[in-house]
Amino acid sequence: GIQVEQSPPDLILQEGANSTLRCNFSDSVNNLQWFHQNPWGQLINLFYIPSGTKQNGRLSATTVATERYSLLYISSSQTTDSGVYFCAVATGNQFYFGTGTSLTVIP
Amino acid sequence: DSGVTQTPKHLITATGQRVTLRCSPRSGDLSVYWYQQSLDQGLQFLIQYYNGEERAKGNILERFSAQQFPDLHSELNLSSLELGDSALYFCASSVIRQGAYNEQFFGPGTRLTVL
Repeated sequence: GIQVEQSPPDLILQEGANSTLRCNFSDSVNNLQWFHQNPWGQLINLFYIPSGTKQNGRLSATTVATERYSLLYISSSQTTDSGVYFCAVATGNQFYFGTGTSLTVIP
Repeated sequence: DSGVTQTPKHLITATGQRVTLRCSPRSGDLSVYWYQQSLDQGLQFLIQYYNGEERAKGNILERFSAQQFPDLHSELNLSSLELGDSALYFCASSVIRQGAYNEQFFGPGTRLTVL
């Protein structure tokens, strides 16, 4: 199956700082999504982005499908951004999640 | 709120028992996916149903089975439970059009504890 690697595995930020999370995948994909898992365990959709760039408020994402990576940018981080960020890809009918980036934003 | 509902929220049971987890997809979504999230295995895709038919299988154990009913809700059955089956089980739904892989929306999950 496809290997999905996320970096960094852990990140601690001061409130207000910016960050970039990376997702590398080992093969062509049909679908790529970014999720935020909050401390209560809920998986929240951030972006559906198999290619191109999207922005939603303080968050934006870019996927370069030909080079098999995606980036999630978080600007002006807030304590509510804490949690685990997952990248998930699909090829054929199989779906694969990365191991996540655990983000802690301290006030 | 994603529009995907799962019941129950929590389930505590004993080894060897059988449980059923239930999922209702978003209105209009024909496809349902089941995932398992455990501490040592991360988030793993188990199985997908589309309009009542099994469409794809991931790392689903033989002790586990699923089905999707005519009203599109789905059930995941876990039998002969082991301690290692303790995990958070998620259901997701999406619309699939013309072979395109559309956005998945996740339910709140069912936390299963096997004692």
